[in-house]
Amino acid sequence: AQSVAQPEDQVNVAEGNPLTVKCTYSVSGNPYLFWYVQYPNRGLQFLLKYITGDNLVKGSYGFEAEFNKSQTSFHLKKPSALVSDSALYFCAVRVVRNSGNTPLVFGKGTRLSVIA
Amino acid sequence: KAGVTQTPRYLIKTRGQQVTLSCSPISGHRSVSWYQQTPGQGLQFLFEYFSETQRNKGNFPGRFSGRQFSNSRSEMNVSTLELGDSALYLCASSFNPSNQPQHFGDGTRLSIL
Repeated sequence: AQSVAQPEDQVNVAEGNPLTVKCTYSVSGNPYLFWYVQYPNRGLQFLLKYITGDNLVKGSYGFEAEFNKSQTSFHLKKPSALVSDSALYFCAVRVVRNSGNTPLVFGKGTRLSVIA
Repeated sequence: KAGVTQTPRYLIKTRGQQVTLSCSPISGHRSVSWYQQTPGQGLQFLFEYFSETQRNKGNFPGRFSGRQFSNSRSEMNVSTLELGDSALYLCASSFNPSNQPQHFGDGTRLSIL
């Protein structure tokens, strides 16, 4: 069975400082990894994905994430946080196989607060 | 290009009733997935449809059902509603159920009294 862990329920960071939101995963097979953000009373917005290739992927709004196969991690990063980045962040994974794709499985989410 | 549209946005029902939620995917998307989001359980997968066929099903009781139409629109139905069914129900669409990112609607907030 596949699973995603986001070890921090809450991350606080000062505006202008770098931010990291952690994600580790467990799958049988090659993972397809995603990050989403959710603002209050809204659905999830796609930020970035890792399918294959370069371990560092760049996404929307200046976010990036690094895929680390040996540590089974896919941490989300941004060099300089903005107050408007304050939201709920979800990491997700699925495995694509010839026999059929697994559903997208989400972590519990990490609430990011950027303080001015 | 219009996003994923879910109707209604808010719904209040009582225990024992049934409810049908609707999802219109982004034009050209043929894969639709449904999720239940609650504060306690987080985001839980309900079902995934592609070309009118259910491709995956989550671990929910048979009271939860869904379908997809030939125009890729999807509905989910919950019968004999329970208090624990109160949640935000999210629909997401993508071109196909593989490595493509899913695009989410804003959800239907279902409250059970």
